[in-house]
Amino acid sequence: GENVEQHPSTLSVQEGDSAVIKCTYSDSASNYFPWYKQELGKGPQLIIDIRSNVGEKKDQRIAVTLNKTAKHFSLHITETQPEDSAVYFCAARGSTLGRLYFGRGTQLTVWP
Amino acid sequence: SQTIHQWPATLVQPVGSPLSLECTVEGTSNPNLYWYRQAAGRGLQLLFYSVGIGQISSEVPQNLSASRPQDRQFILSSKKLLLSDSGFYLCAWSVLRVYGYTFGSGTRLTVV
Repeated sequence: GENVEQHPSTLSVQEGDSAVIKCTYSDSASNYFPWYKQELGKGPQLIIDIRSNVGEKKDQRIAVTLNKTAKHFSLHITETQPEDSAVYFCAARGSTLGRLYFGRGTQLTVWP
Repeated sequence: SQTIHQWPATLVQPVGSPLSLECTVEGTSNPNLYWYRQAAGRGLQLLFYSVGIGQISSEVPQNLSASRPQDRQFILSSKKLLLSDSGFYLCAWSVLRVYGYTFGSGTRLTVV
């Protein structure tokens, strides 16, 4: 099956700085890569996703890049704000039954 | 629009007692359904997934079982809870090979 590695496990940034979270995947047939944000005590919420036929996607302060050759994808958050503090998960959809494989998560803390 | 309901939100149960967590989805037909657990507030551990009524796949052998008696209903059960069953339980659904998962709001289970 698919194997997704996520780094770093914790990330602290000053408000206004940028944050980058990186993930790698193993299955070259994976074709869909969502990112989820989980606030304390809540379920993960989809914040952005990218498909394998696209190299980059932006949504306001959030962007995701995908390098299919290297099999890695990244989440970029610019102008970070304290409300961006949460756990972020990357995922890759493998070739079996459309199942998602998740990274282990990154705890992002934005200090005011 | 599609919605997912998960209850209860919090639950405190004694060791050895039974468990039943319910998840229902509205606004879609024949979804894939998933049960996840977060033991330490971070990683998402897949417990069970279902691609149809009565079809359950188990990812991790343990003290829990799952059932899908109706198309949009997914139940997580245990006959006798262990202390190690404590955690944050999340239900999720997806449409096969199309989109990512939508998670419920979760159930915080504490076994005492």
